[in-house]
Amino acid sequence: SQQGEEDPQALSIQEGENATMNCSYKTSINNLQWYRQNSGRGLVHLILIRSNEREKHSGRLRVTLDTSKKSSSLLITASRAADTASYFCATDETGGFKTIFGAGTRLFVKA
Amino acid sequence: DVKVTQSSRYLVKRTGEKVFLECVQDMDHENMFWYRQDPGLGLRLIYFSYDVKMKEKGDIPEGYSVSREKKERFSLILESASTNQTSMYLCASNVGGSNYEQYFGPGTRLTVT
Repeated sequence: SQQGEEDPQALSIQEGENATMNCSYKTSINNLQWYRQNSGRGLVHLILIRSNEREKHSGRLRVTLDTSKKSSSLLITASRAADTASYFCATDETGGFKTIFGAGTRLFVKA
Repeated sequence: DVKVTQSSRYLVKRTGEKVFLECVQDMDHENMFWYRQDPGLGLRLIYFSYDVKMKEKGDIPEGYSVSREKKERFSLILESASTNQTSMYLCASNVGGSNYEQYFGPGTRLTVT
């Protein structure tokens, strides 16, 4: 089974609204990352949060990490049509050597 | 500006053909990765390399091999392409050590007929 699992699978909102995506994982991690993928393109790194951090901001992005619940959330505030993309969480397991990606959340922002 | 390039955006091959997918990074990164992406399955790691001539199997190495003769280049080889290898292939790289951010290429959409 996948380490990172995003919820919801798909999300449709109006421009200007906030979008929240969640990620759950199963094992102990060193850090958790969020990536964005525009349709048919490669992934772009958004933000990395380490296991000893609880919250991190980058522009309109806010990421939280709760290691006791093994979960993370990505909040995009004041969404724009250009935010339409798939969003993936990815985890680096403690003692592991690879990054494990979830199946992603597809976000559609209507203008 | 960091850059990972892949040799083709779209590729159509016949069953049984030998297929080479090339990836080049210009960031002097130690680690390079090959993933395949299928709907509903996210990214699955095929192989990764942490140094020249070094490689490690990922989650789904069957039917694939890799080559890393130079630090900047990582090749994925499908020895005998099959229809179930039709997929999006993504290459990525990152520095070794504690910096885990990966830089991705634009992807190659491979269709095997």
